[in-house]
Amino acid sequence: DAKTTQPTSMDCAEGRAANLPCNHSTISGNEYVYWYRQIHSQGPQYIIHGLKNNETNEMASLIITEDRKSSTLILPHATLRDTAVYYCIVRVATSYGKLTFGQGTILTVHP
Amino acid sequence: DGGITQSPKYLFRKEGQNVTLSCEQNLNHDAMYWYRQDPGQGLRLIYYSQIVNDFQKGDIAEGYSVSREKKESFPLTVTSAQKNPTAFYLCASSMPWEGTEAFFGQGTRLTVV
Repeated sequence: DAKTTQPTSMDCAEGRAANLPCNHSTISGNEYVYWYRQIHSQGPQYIIHGLKNNETNEMASLIITEDRKSSTLILPHATLRDTAVYYCIVRVATSYGKLTFGQGTILTVHP
Repeated sequence: DGGITQSPKYLFRKEGQNVTLSCEQNLNHDAMYWYRQDPGQGLRLIYYSQIVNDFQKGDIAEGYSVSREKKESFPLTVTSAQKNPTAFYLCASSMPWEGTEAFFGQGTRLTVV
């Protein structure tokens, strides 16, 4: 699976959009981009994933650049409950649930 | 409610004892996984199973064993051969389809004293 690079930490004001970047410059054509988050001492929570196109669900939007070498997770209206570690993971389609976690980005949402 | 149940949430054992962590899912998922997380670190894959009665080693399988006798269950045994067993253990499951997501349990925090 391709390696990802994320900032160690980010801050966001409550109610504002949180934009979390991820670099995956060595991504292959059959690799998906997945985002999970983990609140302290809990299991990771699936957020969203995509292959080529931008994706949106009730939690977030995923913007993937045209060359697929980077992506951005957007939480449109961050709340205090969004404070967590966010993991960007690139994985081959056939690896199913086998995920390679990096260090992730610690997002802190401030009142 | 459908989901993955790990029990217990906290577990304490004396050094040299084997301990088995439970993972049960009612999502009808074929594939199940065990991960380990150390403080401030990401998750690392211990074992995974894509079908009943079959499983494969992950990146850090030494000192661990698993079984997959039922689709719903994937217990992990931490043996006395695991040199540093104190950690947060997470179980996950998914369908064996392209582009599917994995769902995680709430974890078991094992402390060996």
